[in-house]
Amino acid sequence: GENVEQHPSTLSVQEGDSAVIKCTYSDSASNYFPWYKQELGKGPQLIIDIRSNVGEKKDQRIAVTLNKTAKHFSLHITETQPEDSAVYFCAAISSGSARQLTFGSGTQLTVLP
Amino acid sequence: DTEVTQTPKHLVMGMTNKKSLKCEQHMGHRAMYWYKQKAKKPPELMFVYSYEKLSINESVPSRFSPECPNSSLLNLHLHALQPEDSALYLCASSQGRVTDTQYFGPGTRLTVL
Repeated sequence: GENVEQHPSTLSVQEGDSAVIKCTYSDSASNYFPWYKQELGKGPQLIIDIRSNVGEKKDQRIAVTLNKTAKHFSLHITETQPEDSAVYFCAAISSGSARQLTFGSGTQLTVLP
Repeated sequence: DTEVTQTPKHLVMGMTNKKSLKCEQHMGHRAMYWYKQKAKKPPELMFVYSYEKLSINESVPSRFSPECPNSSLLNLHLHALQPEDSALYLCASSQGRVTDTQYFGPGTRLTVL
């Protein structure tokens, strides 16, 4: 089945700096890659997603890039703010036999004021 | 509106109790999911209902019993749980295809004494 690896597990940045979180996946049939933000005591919230027919997608301060050849995708947050502090999960869904959302292990992002 | 609601927010139960978790969505989604999340870990899939039929059961112990009364509601019946079942239980929904975006509820924090 699909295996998603996520790095780093923790990331601290100064307010206003950029943050980058990277994920790799194993199943070449994966074609949908969402990113979720989870604040303490809350459920995961979708912040951006990308499908395999595009290489990059941007939504204000958040962008995601996808390299299908290398089987990796990344989340970029620019001009970070303290409210960006949370756990971020990448995920992948395969159109192959797995056919379920496989999560990465999560990144605890802390934005220091 | 991308809201999934879950009740109760918190639940404390003994190992001999029977309780139920409830999930509701009014987005017209035809797939609903139960996940279990332990602290500092990603969500783990438990069950998937597609068009009100159980389509995936990830080898979950029989002390967890899902039910989908209609396309908007999802229940998880709990009986004879163990302390290690203490976790955040998340409900999610999606339009119906495996590669559709999943929207999560806030979760029910379950403690088994």
